[in-house]
Amino acid sequence: SAVISQKPSRDICQRGTSLTIQCQVDSQVTMMFWYRQQPGQSLTLIATANQGSEATYESGFVIDKFPISRPNLTFSTLTVSNMSPEDSSIYLCSVGRDGRSYNEQFFGPGTRLTVL
Amino acid sequence: GEDVEQSLFLSVREGDSSVINCTYTDSSSTYLYWYKQEPGAGLQLLTYIFSNMDMKQDQRLTVLLNKKDKHLSLRIADTQTGDSAIYFCAEDPYGQNFVFGPGTRLSVLP
Repeated sequence: SAVISQKPSRDICQRGTSLTIQCQVDSQVTMMFWYRQQPGQSLTLIATANQGSEATYESGFVIDKFPISRPNLTFSTLTVSNMSPEDSSIYLCSVGRDGRSYNEQFFGPGTRLTVL
Repeated sequence: GEDVEQSLFLSVREGDSSVINCTYTDSSSTYLYWYKQEPGAGLQLLTYIFSNMDMKQDQRLTVLLNKKDKHLSLRIADTQTGDSAIYFCAEDPYGQNFVFGPGTRLSVLP
């Protein structure tokens, strides 16, 4: 299994500011994913970030709002830009495991964001 | 479109069995999954089932799949307080990205 850490674990931010969330994996992985989990709701995929290519965003998410970096095979960042209270959520990164027939993902502990 | 539904809450007494149900709409998933989220933690893969199977047992966990009705269930035998968590059903149509259900919050009462 992969061990994933995220920084910060939580933050309280002011409206209009931006926050960058870091995701670090203890092994090299091809696929990394960023999810949002709004209060009391399920996970929604924001984007897929593969090293060496532009992130692929899901419907309803745009690069200007959620820019992503993937500089190497063990690290990624997600920025939540120009925040509003509606961005208050838990943001999780996950990594896929290569070479398996089934689609296993390992999740980080999440970053709990509150926007005032 | 893809949609996964679950009941939101379940309470059971310690030692009883828990059954968490899920329905999904997309039949193209090769596997179906159960993830567990403990308080303050990320999701953890609990178990999965190949879509051509109708049952899979793993210690206290039993997964039943009715492909015709697109119904998946997770049974936890001898439920313990440590099983209290949110359980997410998920599918991955065409082996691509996950579609998660809303999660079932399991509370285990002493």
